[in-house]
Amino acid sequence: LAKTTQPISMDSYEGQEVNITCSHNNIATNDYITWYQQFPSQGPRFIIQGYKTKVTNEVASLFIPADRKSSTLSLPRVSLSDTAVYYCLVGDGGYSTLTFGKGTMLLVSP
Amino acid sequence: NAGVTQTPKFRVLKTGQSMTLLCAQDMNHEYMYWYRQDPGMGLRLIHYSVGEGTTAKGEVPDGYNVSRLKKQNFLLGLESAAPSQTSVYFCASSPPRAFDEQYFGPGTRLTVT
Repeated sequence: LAKTTQPISMDSYEGQEVNITCSHNNIATNDYITWYQQFPSQGPRFIIQGYKTKVTNEVASLFIPADRKSSTLSLPRVSLSDTAVYYCLVGDGGYSTLTFGKGTMLLVSP
Repeated sequence: NAGVTQTPKFRVLKTGQSMTLLCAQDMNHEYMYWYRQDPGMGLRLIHYSVGEGTTAKGEVPDGYNVSRLKKQNFLLGLESAAPSQTSVYFCASSPPRAFDEQYFGPGTRLTVT
């Protein structure tokens, strides 16, 4: 079972790029890396998923080095509305590998 | 599309009372889930279902029961509510064999006094 480690909290200012790194040293060959975002008083929202190299969508980018032992979620030019908890999950899509930890609380200030 | 909806949004129960939380999804997803989230903690899976008529236990199933009579609905029941069940409950759904690509509802805030 691949365990993930991510910072408990991060602070940023509007307009900055934010990078949240997640370590998953024992990731398995079949595992994907998935990130969720949770705003206060809302359910988590799936934002991005990747297997290797780089994935980009309209919300974020996900960078995964060749050894796949870590991944970095990149949020370009954050705004106040990006204040949320970000969860990193690693698994092969099966129930036994899906665990939402405490995530990273990102606070964006003016 | 409404996505995943939950009813009710808020509820206050007295210890020992029972209630049912309803989750509905219009994405034709096979898989559905019930989680609870307590302050300062991540989500914990209560029960899940991989198809109509099937359910399975998650990480914290005690004190809860579920039913999936229709593909689009997943019900969570509390037969005898306890203060320890005060929490925010989230329902989610996903395509088959994609536990890691879940779509969540807005949550139900339950207080048991």
